[in-house]
Amino acid sequence: ETGVTQTPRHLVMGMTNKKSLKCEQHLGHNAMYWYKQSAKKPLELMFVYSLEERVENNSVPSRFSPECPNSSHLFLHLHTLQPEDSALYLCASSQGTGTGDEQYFGPGTRLTVT
Amino acid sequence: GENVEQHPSTLSVQEGDSAVIKCTYSDSASNYFPWYKQELGKRPQLIIDIRSNVGEKKDQRIAVTLNKTAKHFSLHITETQPEDSAVYFCAAIGNTGTASKLTFGTGTRLQVTL
Repeated sequence: ETGVTQTPRHLVMGMTNKKSLKCEQHLGHNAMYWYKQSAKKPLELMFVYSLEERVENNSVPSRFSPECPNSSHLFLHLHTLQPEDSALYLCASSQGTGTGDEQYFGPGTRLTVT
Repeated sequence: GENVEQHPSTLSVQEGDSAVIKCTYSDSASNYFPWYKQELGKRPQLIIDIRSNVGEKKDQRIAVTLNKTAKHFSLHITETQPEDSAVYFCAAIGNTGTASKLTFGTGTRLQVTL
């Protein structure tokens, strides 16, 4: 499955580090998403981009900074994270942001903050 | 906003038996309800969805039912097989009616034993 790819797959970083997560979709979709998946919690939507414009920001702390340079690429820049930010970060894409537009997920980046 | 509750959190069935996972939602305006399957270490994938204008939808061994009055929907898997073992997430779209507003349940870990 190569429709949505994410790098790196695993990341360990200290609280003072700066790192970036990368997502790329090869499906010709116009919308991309970042989700956070923590143990025993529902998938939490963080950001939504439609045609490279941010359309949703679910009260995410400023230590997470998204970037969408084009409709195929999405980044999540991380800085001064906290241990509770350790989670699986999933990227997804969909044709549009309408009801019924199936979201295709990437494999995720397992982030550990030490 | 929308709130989705999912039960049970874990479910163990014998191969060949049926499995039922139930979800409730809070926003009566929600109109689209997808179900995702996430196998261990893999990405969530859409397995079936239902819109609010129908009460039931089937796809081979999988069916979803929707009761709009009671605001609950269920996933039914018949003749379960070991490969059905995974975490299943329900989701609902809130009153903005866009895919970007998906709210997920907390997931059900289904274990199909031989």
